[in-house]
Amino acid sequence: GAVVSQHPSRVICKSGTSVKIECRSLDFQATTMFWYRQFPKQSLMLMATSNEGSKATYEQGVEKDKFLINHASLTLSTLTVTSAHPEDSSFYICSAGRQGSGTEAFFGQGTRLTVV
Amino acid sequence: KQEVTQIPAALSVPEGENLVLNCSFTDSAIYNLQWFRQDPGKGLTSLLLIQSSQREQTSGRLNASLDKSSGRSTLYIAASQPGDSATYLCAVRRGNNRLAFGKGNQVVVIP
Repeated sequence: GAVVSQHPSRVICKSGTSVKIECRSLDFQATTMFWYRQFPKQSLMLMATSNEGSKATYEQGVEKDKFLINHASLTLSTLTVTSAHPEDSSFYICSAGRQGSGTEAFFGQGTRLTVV
Repeated sequence: KQEVTQIPAALSVPEGENLVLNCSFTDSAIYNLQWFRQDPGKGLTSLLLIQSSQREQTSGRLNASLDKSSGRSTLYIAASQPGDSATYLCAVRRGNNRLAFGKGNQVVVIP
């Protein structure tokens, strides 16, 4: 299957600082990537759709100024959690779909963010 | 709004038994359905993808069926092994290219 790489896998930061998470499609180009948040024993919650070369589309209730998304190339999307607070602590996962694969979704390894 | 339900939420089986995991969705207008595996603290690994026009897909010991009209999919894992212990997630793709996920079936295979 296609490979989506997410980095870092774990990060601990202090309240008020910003954290950047990278999502790369290693062996295919992705015009669209998706960012999810997952709470313990819950399903994945779509936060936003990242579109290469244009603004991201955010789901209702997701603060665009807190969760900045940049999709500057066909293989890289970044999510920046700005002015992080303890309630932002969560598991964040990105996904991308390869064209021609029947729109199969491939996911990164996830990032465990802990804000102290 | 598409809602995806997975039953049972958790189950334990002895090694060698077959696993049957159920997924139901409320809106049958789906593009495809995908089963994933998630290990604790890890991302999702794609297991099987079923297009809306297909009835089933098979990969090794895994078989997934899809009955779109009744809004159901079943994942069968034959001859379970301890390494199959994980959470299995079902997701349906809607026309807006978004995935709707269930909460998962948490599986423990007892040696």
